[in-house]
Amino acid sequence: AQSVTQLDSQVPVFEEAPVELRCNYSSSVSVYLFWYVQYPNQGLQLLLKYLSGSTLVKGINGFEAEFNKSQTSFHLRKPSVHISDTAEYFCAVSPLHGSSNTGKLIFGQGTTLQVKP
Amino acid sequence: DVKVTQSSRYLVKRTGEKVFLECVQDMDHENMFWYRQDPGLGLRLIYFSYDVKMKEKGDIPEGYSVSREKKERFSLILESASTNQTSMYLCASSLNPTGGTEAFFGQGTRLTVV
Repeated sequence: AQSVTQLDSQVPVFEEAPVELRCNYSSSVSVYLFWYVQYPNQGLQLLLKYLSGSTLVKGINGFEAEFNKSQTSFHLRKPSVHISDTAEYFCAVSPLHGSSNTGKLIFGQGTTLQVKP
Repeated sequence: DVKVTQSSRYLVKRTGEKVFLECVQDMDHENMFWYRQDPGLGLRLIYFSYDVKMKEKGDIPEGYSVSREKKERFSLILESASTNQTSMYLCASSLNPTGGTEAFFGQGTRLTVV
């Protein structure tokens, strides 16, 4: 079974400051890792994903995330945030191909990023 | 563009009613999902389907059932709606069962059970 823990429910930050949203996961098999964003009154959209290869992954809107296998973490970062980044961010995992429940997508509790002027 | 369409944005139903939430995707995706989203709890998987007529229970299947008779359509059924099923329901689809592919989401259905 898989589970995802997002360590902060809310992260307030001033505009142009850096931000890190933390995500840890637990799984008995290898997983793919994702970050999704949900803007107010909208559905979720993919920010970035880690499948294999380089552990530093770049996504849309200047976000990046680093996969750390030993710490089972996939933290999301942005060096300088904008007001428009205010949204809810979700970390998710999916079991690797060949594992049971392949394709299943499990989400964390979400982190609300509040960017202040 | 991939499109996942949920039949209603807002729905109000009475306790005890049978409720159908419909989801249609237009990209021939094998996987389809139903989640409910509640503040502080994130997205919790209700049911998952990886092929027509195939389904797997997610983390919170109690009180729900699903139907997938055609590849493009995945229905969530609340057999007897209760107030604790008031929530935002999100449908999603993804390309194939091998994992690692992006899931595309509908806009959500906000269901209120009174």
